[in-house]
Amino acid sequence: GENVEQHPSTLSVQEGDSAVIKCTYSDSASNYFPWYKQELGKRPQLIIDIRSNVGEKKDQRIAVTLNKTAKHFSLHITETQPEDSAVYFCAARTGNQFYFGTGTSLTVIP
Amino acid sequence: KAGVTQTPRYLIKTRGQQVTLSCSPISGHRSVSWYQQTPGQGLQFLFEYFSETQRNKGNFPGRFSGRQFSNSRSEMNVSTLELGDSALYLCASSLAFLTGAYEQYFGPGTRLTVT
Repeated sequence: GENVEQHPSTLSVQEGDSAVIKCTYSDSASNYFPWYKQELGKRPQLIIDIRSNVGEKKDQRIAVTLNKTAKHFSLHITETQPEDSAVYFCAARTGNQFYFGTGTSLTVIP
Repeated sequence: KAGVTQTPRYLIKTRGQQVTLSCSPISGHRSVSWYQQTPGQGLQFLFEYFSETQRNKGNFPGRFSGRQFSNSRSEMNVSTLELGDSALYLCASSLAFLTGAYEQYFGPGTRLTVT
């Protein structure tokens, strides 16, 4: 089955700096790649996603890039704010099933 | 639209008991997936239901089972509970993969503690 690896597991940045989280996947049939933000004690929230026929997608301070050849995709957060502090999960969808990365704990230092 | 809801939110059970968790998807969503979330293993896929049929199953023992009703509400059951079953159980709903609407939305989860 699919295997999704996520790096780094923890990330600290100064407020206003950028943060980048990277994921790799193994199954070339994967066609949809969402990113979720989970704050402490809350449910995962879908923040951005990308399909396999698109290379990049942006939504205000958040962007996702996909490299199908290398089988990796990345989340970019610019101008980070303290409220961006959370655990971020990437996922890949293949065969009607989602496979998740192990999460990145992002801390934005004021 | 109301979001995905799960009941109960918290549960404490004893080893050997069984438990049933419930998930109500967003109105109009026909696909419901269940996940187990633990600090060490992250989000692990349990199973997915669409139109009352289990379409996919993750790598969990047969003690974990589920079903979906005609109104798309879903239940998951764990029999003969073990200490290692302590986790946050999340369900997620989506319109339906067949329509190309892949976006999944999560419920708040049920925190299960097995003692």
